[in-house]
Amino acid sequence: EAGVTQSPTHLIKTRGQQATLRCSPISGHTSVYWYQQALGLGLQFLLWYDEGEERNRGNFPPRFSGRQFPNYSSELNVNALELEDSALYLCASSSLDSSTEAFFGQGTRLTVV
Amino acid sequence: AQTVTQSQPEMSVQEAETVTLSCTYDTSESDYYLFWYKQPPSRQMILVIRQEAYKQQNATENRFSVNFQKAAKSFSLKISDSQLGDAAMYFCAYRRGFGNEKLTFGTGTRLTIIP
Repeated sequence: EAGVTQSPTHLIKTRGQQATLRCSPISGHTSVYWYQQALGLGLQFLLWYDEGEERNRGNFPPRFSGRQFPNYSSELNVNALELEDSALYLCASSSLDSSTEAFFGQGTRLTVV
Repeated sequence: AQTVTQSQPEMSVQEAETVTLSCTYDTSESDYYLFWYKQPPSRQMILVIRQEAYKQQNATENRFSVNFQKAAKSFSLKISDSQLGDAAMYFCAYRRGFGNEKLTFGTGTRLTIIP
């Protein structure tokens, strides 16, 4: 069974540009979560999508947005990139079974220069 | 809002010894789950162990066990017979017990294994 896959692995952008990160959940998982992990810090919750709808949002500005497609894959878009957006972005997926943990992808390392 | 606190930014242990990582949390919910995740240099977050709040028995997974003190809102991880492969960042996480809720993470503890 394929795990959570994220692309690209690394992404370098210039300040002010837009970045698009992609995530494919484990087959059968309907929920996708996005987290930001800045260097040396813990995971900060960004967004949660389930069944195509945004269910919850962390304390991030509106230039962080995303969507979930009918096949449950997801995109995270970051507009007007700032230097402090440089971080590892982790995607996780889970199923509706409340006892199931979230499975994580290997992340996208975004560097803003 | 739920919060998770890990007060030990770094810990080290001799190979084959035992180490305990601390975690406290704050919640007003009665139904929830607690997790320990491991993040090695490869960046992949790996689930180490899970505890359901309604279970009084502490969870164990081979060399990994937890000390879950619900009244104190404490959830520590004990690693026995530490191995070099245990070196990683360890994150404590909380999740409400219904639906497909998000995880709330602590800031992590970096564990170093001394050969």
